[in-house]
Amino acid sequence: GIQVEQSPPDLILQEGANSTLRCNFSDSVNNLQWFHQNPWGQLINLFYIPSGTKQNGRLSATTVATERYSLLYISSSQTTDSGVYFCAVDGETSGSRLTFGEGTQLTVNP
Amino acid sequence: DSGVTQTPKHLITATGQRVTLRCSPRSGDLSVYWYQQSLDQGLQFLIQYYNGEERAKGNILERFSAQQFPDLHSELNLSSLELGDSALYFCASSAGLRMNTEAFFGQGTRLTVV
Repeated sequence: GIQVEQSPPDLILQEGANSTLRCNFSDSVNNLQWFHQNPWGQLINLFYIPSGTKQNGRLSATTVATERYSLLYISSSQTTDSGVYFCAVDGETSGSRLTFGEGTQLTVNP
Repeated sequence: DSGVTQTPKHLITATGQRVTLRCSPRSGDLSVYWYQQSLDQGLQFLIQYYNGEERAKGNILERFSAQQFPDLHSELNLSSLELGDSALYFCASSAGLRMNTEAFFGQGTRLTVV
């Protein structure tokens, strides 16, 4: 099946700093989504972005499908941004489901 | 609010018991997916139903089963529970047969087996 690798696994920032999270995948995809899992365990949809660039406030994402990677940018980070960020993909040949990466654990300190 | 409703939010039960987790998909979504998130395995796909029919199976144990009813809600049945089944169980829904449109996840059911 499709492989999804996220980096870095852990990231510690001071409030106000910017960060870039990366997701590499091993096959062509029909769907790529970024999620934020908050401390209560809830998975929050951030972006549906199988290709191209999107922005939502302080967050933006870019997927370069031909090179099989996606980037999530967080600017002016806040303590409420803490949590785990997951990239998940639906591979063209891997069956009908989202395959998740291992996630990036982000901690934003005040 | 994702529009996907899962009940209960928390469940504590003893080893050997059986539990049922419930999921109501977003209005209009025909596919329901179940995922398990445990500490050592990450988010793992279990099973997919589309309009009442099983369509895909992932790493689902034989002790686990699911079904989707005519009103499109789904239930995940876990039996002969073991300590290692303690996890967060998520349900997701999407409009079509594939997860090639945006998928939405419920809040999860946190299962603790003691």
